[in-house]
Amino acid sequence: AQKVTQAQTEISVVEKEDVTLDCVYETRDTTYYLFWYKQPPSGELVFLIRRNSFDEQNEISGRYSWNFQKSTSSFNFTITASQVVDSAVYFCALNYGGSQGNLIFGKGTKLSVKP
Amino acid sequence: DAGVTQSPTHLIKTRGQHVTLRCSPISGHKSVSWYQQVLGQGPQFIFQYYEKEERGRGNFPDRFSARQFPNYSSELNVNALLLGDSALYLCASSPSRYPRETQYFGPGTRLLVL
Repeated sequence: AQKVTQAQTEISVVEKEDVTLDCVYETRDTTYYLFWYKQPPSGELVFLIRRNSFDEQNEISGRYSWNFQKSTSSFNFTITASQVVDSAVYFCALNYGGSQGNLIFGKGTKLSVKP
Repeated sequence: DAGVTQSPTHLIKTRGQHVTLRCSPISGHKSVSWYQQVLGQGPQFIFQYYEKEERGRGNFPDRFSARQFPNYSSELNVNALLLGDSALYLCASSPSRYPRETQYFGPGTRLLVL
């Protein structure tokens, strides 16, 4: 079965702290795609990153970085020097080669960054 | 370029009624997917349409239906509304129907069933 687990329901940090959001996925497919989305209180899901299963290169974009490890089926997301504007719910999602094209989401991690 | 748009933004209905939600994809995108997000959960897949044909369906009852128009916009219809249908309904578009494509989401329609 295909599944995404985000074990951290809520995380609270103080501004400028680093924070890592965990994502563990399950799939039998060898070809799959992993995504992170941000959902601010307004509700719209904002795309952050896509990673292919055959590309284990880590990625950094400004204060954001992603660590993809196939050996542990994890795709973790780190925010460096967090800011209040980072407060949102973050979702990890999976799409796989045999799917109908739909994303499988985790339950999300609510990040609160306090000033 | 305009992103995915959805209408209406909010809707209040009573049990047993019918509702129609609308979505316009990003220009050039031919695939539209619908998701339901209940409070505190991740979005759940309802339908995917590509080139006006249903390409995928999630585990939702037949009360849920959708269609896609020649201009690639889409409607989601829900009949005989139940209290449990209260949720944020999200529409996403992508260039094609393939899993490798990134899906871009609209702002959603918040449906409250009383």
